[in-house]
Amino acid sequence: QSVLTQPPSTSGTPGQRVTISCSGSSSNIGSNYVYWYQQVPGTAPKLLIYRNNQRPSGVPDRFSGSKSGTSASLAISGLRSEDEADFYCAAWDDSLSGWVFGGGTKLTVL
Amino acid sequence: EVQLVESGGGLVQPGRSLRLSCAVSGFTFDDYAMHWVRQAPGKGLEWVSSITWNSGSIGYADSVEGRFTISRDNAKNSLYLQMNSLRAEDTALYYCAKASIGYNYGYFDYWGQGTLVTVSS
Repeated sequence: QSVLTQPPSTSGTPGQRVTISCSGSSSNIGSNYVYWYQQVPGTAPKLLIYRNNQRPSGVPDRFSGSKSGTSASLAISGLRSEDEADFYCAAWDDSLSGWVFGGGTKLTVL
Repeated sequence: EVQLVESGGGLVQPGRSLRLSCAVSGFTFDDYAMHWVRQAPGKGLEWVSSITWNSGSIGYADSVEGRFTISRDNAKNSLYLQMNSLRAEDTALYYCAKASIGYNYGYFDYWGQGTLVTVSS
């Protein structure tokens, strides 16, 4: 059971916009930044969004992040087949004094 | 180019020990904290441990506290994870990850490809 809660799966067609939610608590998302990672099957995770809504260089602006209270979301617009991957949210947890992750959301591009 | 290369994984019996290594290049190693994160087969990511740039602060997940020890050798640009009293539930792909900053456990900005640890009799 992950500390952060994500839907197990989502899907969309090419060109569509999809969102992935991440729900936490006051000790993690409520008081710290949220990060998003993309993991293509068989490869290492890659940083997608940092500090709630910042994109590292090289990440397309089709990816955006937001946070409100104890929840966060990742939006992917103009969906492409190469976006098919697992997506994880992460945050520091003050109560646990450690990093916590969501269980991951598998994105399927139909 | 930032590179992190893990090694030391393998098949080990329950109760035995294993030491993982992570060799890094492409950045000034002693400027940054480092992490270990694991992923059980078919499962999600789990933070394992972190160490600041000068080893002054170290943290562990409850699941490994008292059994695993993280360390680093800045002269060798290397990160280590000594794993003792291994259990079946420790079976996972272990990733080494670079932190975004040095003085505390910043977020994971670069990851290695992982080394697989299998605990089984």
